[in-house]
Amino acid sequence: EVQLVQSGAEVKKAGESLQISCKGSGYDFSKYWIGWVRQVSGKGLEWIGIIYPGDSDIRYSPSFQGHVTISADKSIASAYLQWNSLRASDTARYYCGRTDYGGNLGAFHTWGQGTVVTVSS
Amino acid sequence: QSVLTQPPSVSGAPGQRVTISCTGSGSNIGAGYDVHWYQHLPGTAPKLVIYDKMKRPSGVPDRFSGSRSGSSASLAITGLRPEDEADYYCQSYDISLSGSLFGGGTKLTVL
Repeated sequence: EVQLVQSGAEVKKAGESLQISCKGSGYDFSKYWIGWVRQVSGKGLEWIGIIYPGDSDIRYSPSFQGHVTISADKSIASAYLQWNSLRASDTARYYCGRTDYGGNLGAFHTWGQGTVVTVSS
Repeated sequence: QSVLTQPPSVSGAPGQRVTISCTGSGSNIGAGYDVHWYQHLPGTAPKLVIYDKMKRPSGVPDRFSGSRSGSSASLAITGLRPEDEADYYCQSYDISLSGSLFGGGTKLTVL
């Protein structure tokens, strides 16, 4: 069974750094794009970016580029979303998702359970 | 402001048909990029219901269908059921952004 399991909830202060993870199982992790999506409470879904673990090809949404870093370690089948300096506005639930077809243009067929990040000012 | 525009809300009675529109532009849907649709209940993972404009993942009932015309796409749900009540989002690639984006979301209420 294809699964994505995300790391647990985080509570941080503004200015702190953070890395959350998304671990894949049940398939060849290096061969499918993994993307990250944000949902602020009461708001819609936002596409953050996507990575191909096989060669670490990464695409970012202009809205997030420069503030977050996406990475992956195919040896342990994990993708990461990282902040060097959190803001209160980063408070949200973050999901990872895998595209089955269409590469970085594809739909997310499989999703992680989400990671809640709370940043206090 | 989302480049993919959806109505904030739609509603229908059980058994009825509803459609949710997703209006884009020549840099996304109008350029021929595929449109995907998700069903989402807050606090849970989104669920893919339509991909590549009109394909259904395994397990999604054929009450859900997708279509595209020009720079717009639509999700149709027939035979509405109470469990269809959720938020629905469209997604497409945008060449000017060099990445994908979601529509603003539509809340479906089953009356």
